[in-house]
Amino acid sequence: EDQVTQSPEALRLQEGESSSLNCSYTVSGLRGLFWYRQDPGKGPEFLFTLYSAGEEKEKERLKATLTKKESFLHITAPKPEDSATYLCAVQALQGAQKLVFGQGTRLTINP
Amino acid sequence: DTEVTQTPKHLVMGMTNKKSLKCEQHMGHRAMYWYKQKAKKPPELMFVYSYEKLSINESVPSRFSPECPNSSLLNLHLHALQPEDSALYLCASSQLLAYEQFFGPGTRLTVL
Repeated sequence: EDQVTQSPEALRLQEGESSSLNCSYTVSGLRGLFWYRQDPGKGPEFLFTLYSAGEEKEKERLKATLTKKESFLHITAPKPEDSATYLCAVQALQGAQKLVFGQGTRLTINP
Repeated sequence: DTEVTQTPKHLVMGMTNKKSLKCEQHMGHRAMYWYKQKAKKPPELMFVYSYEKLSINESVPSRFSPECPNSSLLNLHLHALQPEDSALYLCASSQLLAYEQFFGPGTRLTVL
């Protein structure tokens, strides 16, 4: 069964304090791994798609990386507006190609 | 236009009411989705439409009835809901089934 585990569940950082969020996955052949950002009461906002081990993508203060077993979302010098829940999801090559989501990491950046 | 829109933003209904949620996208996407999300949980897939045909039904109770009138519109008809159905209902679309999904802002549903 395809599975996604995100850690930590919650993370508090000071403004400017860089860190990483982890997404570990098991999937029967990876089609793609997706990162989303979700603010309270709103829909998830698409951030990145990663397809193969070694791939990296960047957007402003965020950088996503992928290995064969996990993905990291690196946040460099975060600002309070980066506070949100970050969701990781995988899509398998075979089967219904549904997104399997992790439980998310709630990130709080204190000014 | 790169948005998925949903109406209404908020909905309060009684257990005997019939209501509908609406979703619209003008990105030319051919796959559309309904998700349900409870507080502090990830989105939970309900239905998937591909080329206006129902592709996946995740064993959702019949009190939820999806409809895809055309490639831009997706409805979710609600009837005889239970209080435990209160949640944020999200619509999403993707170019095709295997592509990244773009979510709308959601409808906050409260069942009294």
